[in-house]
Amino acid sequence: GNSVTQMEGPVTLSEEAFLTINCTYTATGYPSLFWYVQYPGEGLQLLLKATKADDKGSNKGFEATYRKETTSFHLEKGSVQVSDSAVYFCALSPERTNAGKSTFGDGTTLTVKP
Amino acid sequence: NAGVTQTPKFRILKIGQSMTLQCTQDMNHNYMYWYRQDPGMGLKLIYYSVGAGITDKGEVPNGYNVSRSTTEDFPLRLELAAPSQTSVYFCASSPRTSGRTTDTQYFGPGTRLTVL
Repeated sequence: GNSVTQMEGPVTLSEEAFLTINCTYTATGYPSLFWYVQYPGEGLQLLLKATKADDKGSNKGFEATYRKETTSFHLEKGSVQVSDSAVYFCALSPERTNAGKSTFGDGTTLTVKP
Repeated sequence: NAGVTQTPKFRILKIGQSMTLQCTQDMNHNYMYWYRQDPGMGLKLIYYSVGAGITDKGEVPNGYNVSRSTTEDFPLRLELAAPSQTSVYFCASSPRTSGRTTDTQYFGPGTRLTVL
């Protein structure tokens, strides 16, 4: 079956530090890949996505590149801010969609200190 | 456009009580989902629906029931609350997909449920 493994947290960084959160997946074919973000007390919201190999998703300074050869979709940001403190979830949606069901990783908690 | 709304935001139940968590979306999405999120954990799919009148079980359906009489509404029913059902519940929706599409899910703000 499909699975998503992401870097365990929590991750604590100082403001303006470089961020990487690793995500690898197991799925057949070419799934769509997503990063969702959950701010304290809120639901998940889409941060970025990529639908085919070598695509780069980007939003709010965050980037992730769909790497088919390493089955990875690592999240990066060059300079984090306190407002980036949140839980980040990597997810995939299968190529042959099954009611749109996605598989989510366990989430990585990021805390950015001033 | 409110997106996905959930009520209530918080609820405390006693063991054995019943309640319904409400979920409504105004985006005309065909697919809807219920997840639970336990502390420090990821999302687990409870039930999902591909359209009005059609529902199916996810990973952790025991102790829950759903119905989908309209496109907009997807209520989750807990019949006999147990402490193991203490969790945060999220409803989500997604547009119908065909072929090669991106299945972005849109989430509600969640319901925090405590069973004592």
